[in-house]
Amino acid sequence: DAGITQSPRHKVTETGTPVTLRCHQTENHRYMYWYRQDPGHGLRLIHYSYGVKDTDKGEVSDGYSVSRSKTEDFLLTLESATSSQTSVYFCATLGQGGEQFFGPGTRLTVL
Amino acid sequence: DAKTTQPTSMDCAEGRAANLPCNHSTISGNEYVYWYRQIHSQGPQYIIHGLKNNETNEMASLIITEDRKSSTLILPHATLRDTAVYYCIVRAPAGGTSYGKLTFGQGTILTVHP
Repeated sequence: DAGITQSPRHKVTETGTPVTLRCHQTENHRYMYWYRQDPGHGLRLIHYSYGVKDTDKGEVSDGYSVSRSKTEDFLLTLESATSSQTSVYFCATLGQGGEQFFGPGTRLTVL
Repeated sequence: DAKTTQPTSMDCAEGRAANLPCNHSTISGNEYVYWYRQIHSQGPQYIIHGLKNNETNEMASLIITEDRKSSTLILPHATLRDTAVYYCIVRAPAGGTSYGKLTFGQGTILTVHP
């Protein structure tokens, strides 16, 4: 792996509350990504970052925002959580050879 | 990025080679073939990638046809721990306007049985 940790690993929250997920990497990789994984949909890209303070949207970005104030941390925020955002969230970084390394995932349940 | 086609599921006996095919007939000249796998409830794991030459690492071998329209991932001696969903992905390298996005399809469910 690329020294990727995600926190929290599990979270249960209520509809309408803000939630922030953290991804931390130790390999100084430039690119970082947030995906969500749901049954029947596979992994879908939410947002990505190509450097500090440089981020852009993926295919399912509505309701999510991200921030990257330093190379090692990439935060995903659900501004007002909804039940449709119940999912498993994976962070990833891009290695030198173009391979992506994934974190262990965060299981989020929105009640 | 080029679309890929993989069988939905495959079985393999423990200790035998597992050969997982992937079709990518619309692949472009600068697109690489990547293989990942996902063991239940874990994050996807990178296995191997290649452009046009066959590749081998400690996990697997990748055979790409000469016309690059298909490839085969080979796990030489499958174990029960290789039971997972295997994804074949084609994409251009990251850099410039490309950000290395991976588009995951449904993959192949490989079941290794005793």
